[in-house]
Amino acid sequence: DGGITQSPKYLFRKEGQNVTLSCEQNLNHDAMYWYRQDPGQGLRLIYYSQIVNDFQKGDIAEGYSVSREKKESFPLTVTSAQKNPTAFYLCASTENSGNTIYFGEGSWLTVV
Amino acid sequence: DAKTTQPTSMDCAEGRAANLPCNHSTISGNEYVYWYRQIHSQGPQYIIHGLKNNETNEMASLIITEDRKSSTLILPHATLRDTAVYYCIVRVADGGFKTIFGAGTRLFVKA
Repeated sequence: DGGITQSPKYLFRKEGQNVTLSCEQNLNHDAMYWYRQDPGQGLRLIYYSQIVNDFQKGDIAEGYSVSREKKESFPLTVTSAQKNPTAFYLCASTENSGNTIYFGEGSWLTVV
Repeated sequence: DAKTTQPTSMDCAEGRAANLPCNHSTISGNEYVYWYRQIHSQGPQYIIHGLKNNETNEMASLIITEDRKSSTLILPHATLRDTAVYYCIVRVADGGFKTIFGAGTRLFVKA
């Protein structure tokens, strides 16, 4: 079945370490997104990418980095510069000409 | 993309209709109204969307006012599994990349 796969579902990180969250989609969508969600809050946009080898900062990009080397993949690295990284991270995708946003199942990151 | 306003939480009795309101008074003519829901620790799930006309699918109905400044999502026969956070968003017709997701409405369906 077509969809978006995020891994791992749960991840623990020590302070000062970088960690990379994986996002893969087989929907042939052009655009991909990363959102952060804190408990009881809405979704905040971290980065988005409209096409391969291009990406744009969202509202809260500081302390994060991304790459888009392949159409189906959009990994997110949470760097040690992110002061409060513990959160639920969601990857999403859309057709560039489409309206509906499709989401992955999310990844929980906890800094210990 | 325009912003939306939703109540923080609502209750509904199991088997009854759940009516979730949303205000989007600054919506533009080319913006669609979308509804998603999120069950705890899962990704948001698409429910329904519309532009001007009322819409219905197997999950829900969407009622949009004539001036398009507000809408209502209707779950006709709520079940316990419908307990979730429901998000109302607006998106431009050609996609748009900075859609705003607020805190949504937390719906509690009670037995």
